[in-house]
Amino acid sequence: QQQVRQSSQSLTVWEGETAILNCSYENSAFDYFPWYQQFPGEGPALLIAIRSVSDKKEDGRFTIFFNKREKNLSLHIKDSQPGDSATYFCAARGGNYQLIWGSGTKLIIKP
Amino acid sequence: DPKIIQKPKYLVAVTGSEKILICEQYLGHNAMYWYRQSAKKPLEFMFSYSYQKLMDNQTASSRFQPQSSKKNHLDLQITALKPDDSATYFCASSQEGLGGIGQLYFGEGSKLTVL
Repeated sequence: QQQVRQSSQSLTVWEGETAILNCSYENSAFDYFPWYQQFPGEGPALLIAIRSVSDKKEDGRFTIFFNKREKNLSLHIKDSQPGDSATYFCAARGGNYQLIWGSGTKLIIKP
Repeated sequence: DPKIIQKPKYLVAVTGSEKILICEQYLGHNAMYWYRQSAKKPLEFMFSYSYQKLMDNQTASSRFQPQSSKKNHLDLQITALKPDDSATYFCASSQEGLGGIGQLYFGEGSKLTVL
């Protein structure tokens, strides 16, 4: 049973478009949702995160939209650039403070 | 300079042998973790340690044994290696607080290939 689900294994968008990566979860007790970005040959790195008390978190070109009622969230990457090509992991913090990870979405930005 | 050092970066082993993956973190964090990444499971949590004590173990096999000799070290010993153990193993750390785990910082990984 996958508690955090990323709907797309891969996503391709053109440079300059907005890339939208989706994530859903099952446990309404999850309270913190980070997105990690991973480039080939490197470990994942925190990109942006949101707490369940908020419905939006913005950091430059990256925005998380969070819907607590529907138990889903999405990461929007505005004006996407080839350097944004990476794998993006959605995660959720559970009651024991451990992170539950999604399976990742590989984003390809075509120039 | 990398703040989490993993050694070796690449290693090849034969089935049945034993290997130790080294991890040292210089972030002053009190929690350390091991994760595994392969084509089958993109990011799989294995162990978490806090103040050198095991907090969580999600690895079914006892062939995987973490070892913490110092506060900023968490090595991973893998015995009786199998081809299925081929993966990239990531060490991570975080600063635990009242709100639970903070941001995870990952090393660059150790890519293990078992022949």
